[in-house]
Amino acid sequence: GQNIDQPTEMTATEGAIVQINCTYQTSGFNGLFWYQQHAGEAPTFLSYNVLDGLEEKGRFSSFLSRSKGYSYLLLKELQMKDSASYLCAAMDSNYQLIWGAGTKLIIKP
Amino acid sequence: GAVVSQHPSRVICKSGTSVKIECRSLDFQATTMFWYRQFPKQSLMLMATSNEGSKATYEQGVEKDKFLINHASLTLSTLTVTSAHPEDSSFYICSARDGGTVKAFFGQGTRLTVV
Repeated sequence: GQNIDQPTEMTATEGAIVQINCTYQTSGFNGLFWYQQHAGEAPTFLSYNVLDGLEEKGRFSSFLSRSKGYSYLLLKELQMKDSASYLCAAMDSNYQLIWGAGTKLIIKP
Repeated sequence: GAVVSQHPSRVICKSGTSVKIECRSLDFQATTMFWYRQFPKQSLMLMATSNEGSKATYEQGVEKDKFLINHASLTLSTLTVTSAHPEDSSFYICSARDGGTVKAFFGQGTRLTVV
């Protein structure tokens, strides 16, 4: 079956770095997405990886290893506003998104 | 990025009535639209996928006669929750994608409360 695993909750300190991991199993693969969702709001797009390697975009970076079925989202210089849920989603061969349950990130001062 | 506008953002309705939620792509043609439901502290649950001009494809367990989806144009899709009940209270979110990209963009979401 198709499955996405990511930690339920993580805590980090303002100014620090945090890495949110995601493993996936899908029927075919057309890329891995990361979305940020603040409480009560819709998700917003953060990143898309389809090739192996690291994609850097400001304070946020996303990594993909297709052979391992593994991705991570790296957040640097954490700010209080980064407190949110981070959703990992893999796109299968039918271009459907398979969603993880989300990782709630708590930032402490 | 592309803009998807969803209305209303919040709606309260009485049990037994119907509610229509609109999802519009403002600056691109949405060949495919997705409707999700999200309960508190849970991830997104795909309800249905609709392609412009075609009938929506519903996920298992989603009643198509209760959740009516119309995608009559490349910029507009609607979800109508018919004969709403308190258990239908949830956060409904649409997302849209054009045919030339794999990225989907989300609307702002609609918080539905059925009393």
